[in-house]
Amino acid sequence: EVQLVESGGGLVQPGGSLRLSCAASGFTFSNYAMIWVRQAPGRGLEWVSAVSVSVSGPYYADSVRGRFTVSRDNSKNTVYLQMNSLRAEDTAVYYCAKDGIITEGGPQGFFDYWGQGSLVTVSS
Amino acid sequence: DIVMTQSPDSLAVSLGERATINCKSSQSVLYSSNNQNYLAWYQQKPGQPPKLLIYWASTRESGVPDRFSGSGSGTDFTLTVSSLQAEDVAVYYCQQYYNLPYTFGQGTKLEIK
Repeated sequence: EVQLVESGGGLVQPGGSLRLSCAASGFTFSNYAMIWVRQAPGRGLEWVSAVSVSVSGPYYADSVRGRFTVSRDNSKNTVYLQMNSLRAEDTAVYYCAKDGIITEGGPQGFFDYWGQGSLVTVSS
Repeated sequence: DIVMTQSPDSLAVSLGERATINCKSSQSVLYSSNNQNYLAWYQQKPGQPPKLLIYWASTRESGVPDRFSGSGSGTDFTLTVSSLQAEDVAVYYCQQYYNLPYTFGQGTKLEIK
């Protein structure tokens, strides 16, 4: 059974940092790109970042480029999202998701498994 | 960026009736080399993460009831629930994966009339 479990969310002041983790199990982690998607309270879905299987990328939305860094550790089946210079508009539930297509390269498209999400609140 | 626009924003349908949600992309998401539409549909129930329903515009994900179907090509797509069940109450999103950044529609809230 595929499982994705996020951790690391919480309350942080504007300008602060947080690191989210997503522990994966139930599939061959090193064969799939991994994605972060966020959802602000009461709002829709926003793609944030993707980390490849290979050396291509990583990839970021314009809204987070230069502030967020995505990485993965295939030995630990874990993907990370380091979030710096956080702003109030970064407040959201952050979901980790698995790319739906096996690849040797970058993200392929749709997301077939999602974690339960980790709430990040940026407020003073 | 490709803009995805869904209509309507909300929809109320009687149990057992058909529900239709539309999604329009600002540019074609049909990749000519493989004739595939890079379009997915998700269902999100309150307090839950999104769930993949449809990919390649019309391929149903394993385990998804066959009352859910996707159609369309190029820039215009439709998600149809052929006979609405109580458990289908949710927000539905379309998503393009033709190119980065991947983008979602604003969502359509489906309710029981």
